Amino acid sequence: QLQLQESGPGLVKPSETLSLTCTVSGGSISSSNYYWGWIRQPPGKGLEWIGTMYVSGSTYYNPSLKSRVTISVDTSWNQFSLRLSSVTAADTAVYFCARQGRASVAGQIDYWGQGALVTVSS
Amino acid sequence: QSALTQPASVSGSPGQSITISCTGTSSDVGGYNYVSWYQQHPGKAPKLVIFDVTYRPSGVSNRFSGSKSGNTASLTISGLQAEDEADYYCSSFTSSVTLVFGGGTKLTVL
Repeated sequence: QLQLQESGPGLVKPSETLSLTCTVSGGSISSSNYYWGWIRQPPGKGLEWIGTMYVSGSTYYNPSLKSRVTISVDTSWNQFSLRLSSVTAADTAVYFCARQGRASVAGQIDYWGQGALVTVSS
Repeated sequence: QSALTQPASVSGSPGQSITISCTGTSSDVGGYNYVSWYQQHPGKAPKLVIFDVTYRPSGVSNRFSGSKSGNTASLTISGLQAEDEADYYCSSFTSSVTLVFGGGTKLTVL
């Protein structure tokens, strides 16, 4: 059974960079059949797509976050990562890593991590 | 990109059917058959219940069904059960090669 697990600091200071890693188990991130991505959810609010990537290195980002976001892959560790720079309180959210069930940005999100709460505060 | 439009809340009694709408534009919902629906219980990760407008993943009850007309997609849940009480989100692929979510709908089973 495929499992995804987010890890990283739960508290980040304003203006600094948020960094999270998603470790994939029960399947290979190098598979040509899937895309992998990040979604966030501010407390009490809805879901927001952050971006997605393919093992080849191709990336696609939410235009509203594009200038601050980087998603990258480390196939040797079966992990992919999120970096969000210049964070503010508005970036406080539960961050989910996820798999898209086809090799396309259009793919449905069929597996989700449990989510990691990141709070931006001094 | 603008979020897709969903009603903030819907409700129904056990055994009844409800429908949740998801309205976008010709650049997202109306332009592609790549609409998905997710169910989210409090404190949990979302769960896929419908993809590609009408398809149900393995293991999802056939009480869940999806459809689309023009720029509006819909999720229908028939034979409402207490366990269906949750937040529901739609998402769509867009012409900008991105994904966009709806604002979410809280389903209350009376």
